[in-house]
Amino acid sequence: DSGVTQTPKHLITATGQRVTLRCSPRSGDLSVYWYQQSLDQGLQFLIQYYNGEERAKGNILERFSAQQFPDLHSELNLSSLELGDSALYFCASSEGVIQYFGAGTRLSVL
Amino acid sequence: AQSVTQLGSHVSVSEGALVLLRCNYSSSVPPYLFWYVQYPNQGLQLLLKYTTGATLVKGINGFEAEFKKSETSFHLTKPSAHMSDAAEYFCAVSEGGSNYKLTFGKGTLLTVNP
Repeated sequence: DSGVTQTPKHLITATGQRVTLRCSPRSGDLSVYWYQQSLDQGLQFLIQYYNGEERAKGNILERFSAQQFPDLHSELNLSSLELGDSALYFCASSEGVIQYFGAGTRLSVL
Repeated sequence: AQSVTQLGSHVSVSEGALVLLRCNYSSSVPPYLFWYVQYPNQGLQLLLKYTTGATLVKGINGFEAEFKKSETSFHLTKPSAHMSDAAEYFCAVSEGGSNYKLTFGKGTLLTVNP
C-alpha cells in the first residue's frame, strides 16, 4: 500500500459529460502529480500541485483542470468528455524525488 | 527536454533465467532515474532509483540497475527470474529542480515461462 488513495476506482460515463477524480496524498506529502495512462500515449504527466499551488503543467487538455485543497487532497476535473479520454488516471504524491502512486481511476467514456 | 526509450515492448524469459530490461534516456541535466513495476490492475510500484552516488543501485525483489552516463543507459537486471516477476516495467527520468515530474518510457511487458 503506497498510502495514496484514489477514488473512484472505476468510472463509466458518456461523451460530453464531466467527472471529478479525487486523490488523497500520503500523510505529510505536499506535492501531488496527475498522470494519464492510455494504450496509444503511454504514461503522460498532466499537472503538478505543491501545497495548493500549481507547480508545473504537462500535456493537459484545456478541458481538464485540477486543484489542490488546504487539506492537500487534489481533484482532477475532466469535462466535455470524448471517447479518447478513456484511460487510467494516476495520482502520485511526494515530498521530494520519489513519487508514490495510487492505484488509479479507470475512466471509460462510452 | 527529457525522454526515455525502452528497447523491447515485450521480453519473455524462462523461470530462473537472467532478466535484462533495457532503458536509455535523454536529459539536459544530470538525471534522476527510476524503474517502476505495474502488476495487472494495480498502480505503479517503485523498484529502485538513482539520484546521486553509487551507480549500481539495488532495489526490491532482487532487481538492480546500473547508471552508465557515457551510454545514457539505466538497464534493469535480475539474475534469476521468478514467476511472480511477470508484470510491466517502466523506466522513468526526472530532471529535478522545483518539479520532479516523471517522463516515462513506453514500458516493457515481462513474461516468465515455467
